[in-house]
Parts: sequence; C-alpha cells; structure tokens
Amino acid sequence: GDSVTQMEGPVTLSEEAFLTINCTYTATGYPSLFWYVQYPGEGLQLLLKATKADDKGSNKGFEATYRKETTSFHLEKGSVQVSDSAVYFCALSFLGGATNKLIFGTGTLLAVQP
Amino acid sequence: DGGITQSPKYLFRKEGQNVTLSCEQNLNHDAMYWYRQDPGQGLRLIYYSQIVNDFQKGDIAEGYSVSREKKESFPLTVTSAQKNPTAFYLCASSMREVGPQHFGDGTRLSIL
Repeated sequence: GDSVTQMEGPVTLSEEAFLTINCTYTATGYPSLFWYVQYPGEGLQLLLKATKADDKGSNKGFEATYRKETTSFHLEKGSVQVSDSAVYFCALSFLGGATNKLIFGTGTLLAVQP
Repeated sequence: DGGITQSPKYLFRKEGQNVTLSCEQNLNHDAMYWYRQDPGQGLRLIYYSQIVNDFQKGDIAEGYSVSREKKESFPLTVTSAQKNPTAFYLCASSMREVGPQHFGDGTRLSIL
C-alpha cells in the first residue's frame, strides 16, 4: 500500500545550521506531496506542497523538491532558527481521488538550540 | 478569520463512557476528516466525509462514530468500545477534490 517514510528524530541543530529532513514515499500512481509542521500543543499547519514531479515547494525559507526518480521529497532550510523547533510531517495524497485522504510519515522532531 | 475550531482542548473520559469531540469549520469546505495522533505513529485516519449526510470509515474506525448533518460540523464520538482512546485527535477539512487539508488545534483525550 501507499506509505511515507521519514527520518527518525530528534534532530538537534544549532541556530543558523543547515537542515535536511529526509522523506521517501511508496505509491501506486502520482501523488501530491506535503510537509506539515506541528508546534507544541497545536494542530498541523501546511508548510509547503508539490503536486507533480520536479515541482519545488517553498515557504518561510523551507524548500522541498518532488523527485519522482528517487521517490523523495526531502525538506531543507539553509539557516534554522530557534522558532523552527517543532515536529515536521511528510505526507502524500491523491488530490482529486476518491478520498483525498493524507497518508503521513511518523514525524521528525527538530530541536534548534541558540 | 476562517478556520477550524475544535473543542474542548482537553477531555477526560471515565470507563464505559461515550464522549463527543466537536469540530466546526467556516471555510466552506466540503470534505472533513478525523485523525488520531499517537506518539511515534504519525496520524491515522478515523473517518472522513466528502459531503453532508455521507461519511466513510478510515483506517482505524472501530470504537468511533461520526455524523455530518451540517456542512460546517463533523463531531466525533469516542465510544466505550474504543479500548485505548488516549490520544490527540485532529480534525481537518478541505475542498472536496482539490487543495490540501487544513487542521484544527486538536483535542487531547485522556482516561480517568
């Protein structure tokens, strides 16, 4: 079945360090891909998305490129801040399909130290 | 501002009791969803509804029930048949066929 695998955390970085959180997927067909962020005690917020191969999603300094050949959607940021500390979820969905449901990875906790 | 409101933020259930979690949206979205979040397991889909008066089971529907009498409302009942209800519950909505899902701030359910 369809699934998402992302790197286990926690990921601990110093402020201004480079961030990469790996995400790979298995899917029959061509899903849309998403990164969501969850701050402590809150719901999920959409961070960025990409709907087809080679698309690059970007928001708030974060980027991810839809790589069909490697079935990956790795999240990157050039310089993290303490305020980026949160749990990051990679997810896929078949927009326009029967359910539009999201399939999530297990989440990666990012802790940024000053 | 448009958004999704979940209430209460914290909820406690006694053994053998049914409890209902509220989810209201004013985004005019057709589709609504309920997810359960457990530590280290990501989010799993409980129920979803694409249109008023219609809903389908997700991956972990046992012990839960829902209704969709109004477009803006999708309450979730955690019944006594759900033996491990302690979790963080998230409601989401989206345009029926396009667009990503928007999430509420969640309800944390615990057992007394």
